Amino acid sequence: GAVVSQHPSWVICKSGTSVKIECRSLDFQATTMFWYRQFPKQSLMLMATSNEGSKATYEQGVEKDKFLINHASLTLSTLTVTSAHPEDSSFYICSASEAGVGEQFFGPGTRLTVL
Amino acid sequence: DQQVKQNSPSLSVQEGRISILNCDYTNSMFDYFLWYKKYPAEGPTFLISISSIKDKNEDGRFTVFLNKSAKHLSLHIVPSQPGDSAVYFCAASGGGSRLTFGEGTQLTVNP
Repeated sequence: GAVVSQHPSWVICKSGTSVKIECRSLDFQATTMFWYRQFPKQSLMLMATSNEGSKATYEQGVEKDKFLINHASLTLSTLTVTSAHPEDSSFYICSASEAGVGEQFFGPGTRLTVL
Repeated sequence: DQQVKQNSPSLSVQEGRISILNCDYTNSMFDYFLWYKKYPAEGPTFLISISSIKDKNEDGRFTVFLNKSAKHLSLHIVPSQPGDSAVYFCAASGGGSRLTFGEGTQLTVNP
């Protein structure tokens, strides 16, 4: 089956620093990648949708200058949390879908803790 | 505006019995519904889906029912096994790949 990986799986950083999270599709070409955020015991909230080679589309209320998304290749998308603050601490999950295939395949998630 | 709602945050059943997880939606444009299973600190894994042209889809122990008039879907797991203990999310999409998730229901299957 389709495999999506994320790196790192867990990161702790100081307030004010930037953190980059990678999302890779290992055995298929992901024309579209999605970034979600999940707070404890809450739903997965879509943050943004990115298509390879174009700018990401952000959901309402998500700061695009704070959450930088790059989808430069068909197998890699990155989410950079800039100037992270404790309220950015969350579980970030990416998913990827292949052109013509509607199903999204999810990565294992990245736990971000900002001190 | 929560367009997909799972009103039961938790459900506990005995091994071998049926588990029924419910999901309601408000957006009539949704035409494809999915159930995902999620363990702590892991990403969701796809379980089963149903198109709006159907009212039932079955895959082994898992059956999803869709009632379009009531904007309601349910996931039946029978017989339930301890390994089914996880958080179950329902999700919906309408005309594209964007998914809207419910809040999730923690299922605990007791041996």
